[in-house]
Amino acid sequence: DQQVKQNSPSLSVQEGRISILNCDYTNSMFDYFLWYKKYPAEGPTFLISISSIKDKNEDGRFTVFLNKSAKHLSLHIVPSQPGDSAVYFCAADYGGATNKLIFGTGTLLAVQP
Amino acid sequence: EADIYQTPRYLVIGTGKKITLECSQTMGHDKMYWYQQDPGMELHLIHYSYGVNSTEKGDLSSESTVSRIRTEHFPLTLESARPSHTSQYLCASSSLDRAAEAFFGQGTRLTVV
Repeated sequence: DQQVKQNSPSLSVQEGRISILNCDYTNSMFDYFLWYKKYPAEGPTFLISISSIKDKNEDGRFTVFLNKSAKHLSLHIVPSQPGDSAVYFCAADYGGATNKLIFGTGTLLAVQP
Repeated sequence: EADIYQTPRYLVIGTGKKITLECSQTMGHDKMYWYQQDPGMELHLIHYSYGVNSTEKGDLSSESTVSRIRTEHFPLTLESARPSHTSQYLCASSSLDRAAEAFFGQGTRLTVV
């Protein structure tokens, strides 16, 4: 049973516009959420994270929003650039000693010039 | 800059062969992980380690085994490869204090024929 869901397998956005990637989770025990970016033939790279005690975290063009009541988080990229084209994975963590990341299936973002 | 390396990047091997996928990191991280990912699917944790001589099984059952004799090295072994083992294998590491933010290697794409 998938605990972290990314229901949009792909998203296409024009350069300069906003990209919004969505992620839903089912387990209320998750206390830390992350976004990873993956280019073809490379491993995922950490992008941005948010603790469950916050509802927003911003880093340059990237902002992650967390809605705990809805068990939903989103990644906003503004403005989108062609170099942002990649697969974006949402991940959740229970925290504590185990720290096992649970990943979603990813969303392929294509930013059109 | 992440310094975690996986070899080989690509491997095509016959059924029944024994294989070892190598993973090394130079960041002094205590925690290391192996994930398995099929195309379009989420990353599944198959093994992890808290440090030297520590190995744990992940959420996805795997016929592979791992060892952690040195902090920097976390190899994964398949004693007898089968076509069902065809997948991408991703190694990652993290420090204990920022355990959720894992650094990934480039992955090994294994094909068993």
